[in-house]
Amino acid sequence: EIVLTQSPGTLSLSPGERATLSCRASQSVSSNYLGWYQQKPGQAPRLLIYGASSRATGIPDRFSGSGSGTDFTLTISRLEPEDFAVYYCQQYGSSPITFGQGTRLEIK
Amino acid sequence: QVQLQESGPGLVKPSQTLSLTCTVSGGSISSGVYYWSWIRQHPGKGLEWIGYIYYSGSTYYNPSLKSRVTISVDTSKNQFSLNLSSVTAADTAVYYCASYGDSTLDYWGQGTLVTVSS
Repeated sequence: EIVLTQSPGTLSLSPGERATLSCRASQSVSSNYLGWYQQKPGQAPRLLIYGASSRATGIPDRFSGSGSGTDFTLTISRLEPEDFAVYYCQQYGSSPITFGQGTRLEIK
Repeated sequence: QVQLQESGPGLVKPSQTLSLTCTVSGGSISSGVYYWSWIRQHPGKGLEWIGYIYYSGSTYYNPSLKSRVTISVDTSKNQFSLNLSSVTAADTAVYYCASYGDSTLDYWGQGTLVTVSS
């Protein structure tokens, strides 16, 4: 199975700053089938990005995804207070579907 | 917009079978657009995909759980279900159902906590 490693484990930033989250795969992700999710305490994950770079319905354009092959990035251009949460990457190009361990984005 | 809601016991005894149902609204489970999935999250931990089912009944399970998992679908009730046998404390988790389509796991239920304890 494909192992996804996210870095950093925790990212401390202030509102208005730019956040860059990384996801590295143990082998190439087929067709760039890579998704990003945001999860807040007590809530289900919310899909942000699919296909490595396509925003899901209703997701603000401050969220963007990039990358291909084994290296992917989620960028939040200007952090809003509601963006502080845990972020997961997920690959769905190979079975089984796997998730990264998460990056916690906290207020500095 | 598709909505999903998990239901089932919140407490299961060790060695018994965990059974959960996901009710789909806002769309037909037979539409063919989605595979219907189960994912779990151990307390304070990351996400683990369990498996999915198509409305026709075809399934795919995570090999790590395959020997204990059965996912079934009831199109007449617009529901799909998860059975996980021989549970232990390691199966204590929040269980989510979700729709899996071209844009991956786009709609999720709110999740239900299942605790395995005697």
